[in-house]
Amino acid sequence: DIPMTQSPSSLSASVGDRVTVSCRASQTINSFLNWYQQKPGKAPKLLIYAASTLQSGVPSRFTGSGSGADYTLTISSLQPEDFATYYCQQSYRTPRTFGQGTKVEI
Amino acid sequence: QVQLQESGPGLVKPSETLSLTCTVSGDSITSSNYDWAWIRQPPGKGLEWIGSIYYSGSTYRNPSLESRLTISVDTSKNQFSLRLTSVTAADTAFYYCAREGTKEQDLDPWGQGTLVTVSS
Repeated sequence: DIPMTQSPSSLSASVGDRVTVSCRASQTINSFLNWYQQKPGKAPKLLIYAASTLQSGVPSRFTGSGSGADYTLTISSLQPEDFATYYCQQSYRTPRTFGQGTKVEI
Repeated sequence: QVQLQESGPGLVKPSETLSLTCTVSGDSITSSNYDWAWIRQPPGKGLEWIGSIYYSGSTYRNPSLESRLTISVDTSKNQFSLRLTSVTAADTAFYYCAREGTKEQDLDPWGQGTLVTVSS
């Protein structure tokens, strides 16, 4: 397995803030890194794949970056609908593994 | 628009078998561009990838579940299924199915999920 470590596990922010979530793999994963957003009672939704490619329909305030084992999700200006839990996932090897999640709260 | 829908019992007794089916609409399960995956999430906890299947029947299974897990596909019904034997309370979770791209292995879209509770 490739363990994924996200930080922080939760954060408090305000509308308009710039928010950064970090994700570290236990080894290089060659940009096979995806980000998902999950709202309460809903299924996760793909935001970014291949570390930095924005999924169709996802607002441009979401950006992904990184390489090797270290990756970052940035929300440039937090909107009310962005309060949710964010998960990273490596798709470099099976079994696919997820980070433990980062809850973005007001 | 591709949609996935999970179905199956919401309550399973300990030591019995959990069986779920995912019905795919808006896309063919025989597409060469995708695998079809199962993911679970215990209430209030994180996500665990269970496994995936290609339409040919080739599967990847999480080693943590492999001895109890079967994933199968029915191309005639555009469905794929999950079977988990000898369940315990630790298998209580929301179970999601999702489409997994064969190139980037991203999961999109997801079904709405179904809660399976293991309890006597």
